[in-house]
Amino acid sequence: SQQGEEDPQALSIQEGENATMNCSYKTSINNLQWYRQNSGRGLVHLILIRSNEREKHSGRLRVTLDTSKKSSSLLITASRAADTASYFCATDRGSNYKLTFGKGTLLTVNP
Amino acid sequence: DAGVTQSPTHLIKTRGQQVTLRCSPKSGHDTVSWYQQALGQGPQFIFQYYEEEERQRGNFPDRFSGHQFPNYSSELNVNALLLGDSALYLCASSPPQGLGGYTFGSGTRLTVV
Repeated sequence: SQQGEEDPQALSIQEGENATMNCSYKTSINNLQWYRQNSGRGLVHLILIRSNEREKHSGRLRVTLDTSKKSSSLLITASRAADTASYFCATDRGSNYKLTFGKGTLLTVNP
Repeated sequence: DAGVTQSPTHLIKTRGQQVTLRCSPKSGHDTVSWYQQALGQGPQFIFQYYEEEERQRGNFPDRFSGHQFPNYSSELNVNALLLGDSALYLCASSPPQGLGGYTFGSGTRLTVV
């Protein structure tokens, strides 16, 4: 069963704009991660945020985590056409514990 | 440094047949997990292998089985294939104690006809 739900399911923006995707989950977690997937290929790890962290940055990515609301957001700033992909959040309950994914957000960045 | 390698990349099988998918983990990783991703869905956890034994299992029938070899590589076997088994199968490896997180392979696209 899916643990998380991403919102929106699809997002279309222009190059240079910011893209924000949200993820909600149901049970307590240890870590929350965001992955990118291009055209049904493998998953690329973007960023991991631990349950005791509230915000994390990596390049053009900013992730926030609100454990009281069981939600996270991924912000991609100054988007590029190459950012076009599906984005998934995944939660776990500890190191090497299984990942539980949401259904993903399909981001399209128009040049 | 090679990442996670999966083979084959694509596969077409007939209902009722059996299939074996293979995965070589990233160097230094000792744990292998398998996920099934249906079209338009997020990946679903099938099982995880560590020290040649199944350590965790998701909600998949016994038709799905696996194996891990002493060199940490792994196989996923699916018996009595159903049309609904058509999906992208992803392998992920992780280092000892899970430190450093998961690395995913590019997947095997299985089509059951």
